[in-house]
Amino acid sequence: QQQVKQSPQSLIVQKGGISIINCAYENTAFDYFPWYQQFPGKGPALLIAIRPDVSEKKEGRFTISFNKSAKQFSLHIMDSQPGDSATYFCAASRTQGGSEKLVFGKGTKLTVNP
Amino acid sequence: NAGVTQTPKFRILKIGQSMTLQCAQDMNHNYMYWYRQDPGMGLKLIYYSVGAGITDKGEVPNGYNVSRSTTEDFPLRLELAAPSQTSVYFCASSLLGLNTGELFFGEGSRLTVL
Repeated sequence: QQQVKQSPQSLIVQKGGISIINCAYENTAFDYFPWYQQFPGKGPALLIAIRPDVSEKKEGRFTISFNKSAKQFSLHIMDSQPGDSATYFCAASRTQGGSEKLVFGKGTKLTVNP
Repeated sequence: NAGVTQTPKFRILKIGQSMTLQCAQDMNHNYMYWYRQDPGMGLKLIYYSVGAGITDKGEVPNGYNVSRSTTEDFPLRLELAAPSQTSVYFCASSLLGLNTGELFFGEGSRLTVL
């Protein structure tokens, strides 16, 4: 059972445009929602994360929007650049209760054309 | 400061062979993890450890074993390799687990079983 559903699978955006990647989760006990960025041949790296007590978090050109009632969260990349071309993974976890199981979405391959 | 180091980067195994993927971190992190990444499937947790001498199963532990004799090292053992274990394996570490907000990943080990 896939607990975090991510869409789209791939995304092509022009330089300067907005990239939007969406994720939906099922487990209402999840309380930590990170996004990871992965370049080809490299391991994933944390990009930005949010907890459900806020509806939005912004770091530079990257923003997470969180909708607790809909059990959805999304990543917005403003002014997308060719250097943003990578695979993006959303994830979710229940950090209380000693769980160390971070559940990942299937990933979105973003291509930003110059 | 090397971070998380994985060896080997590439390996081809024959069906039924065994091998160990090595993972070492120099950040004095308590928590360590092994994930596998298959195309279009995201990352799935194989095993994790919250400290030396303590390990626990993740989502997909069958066919694998781990040990954690030191804080620095977390090797992953594949016994009787099968084609289904063809994947890219990532080791990750975290100082205090998911509550700290970040996993640090190695660059991966690409394994092919023929």
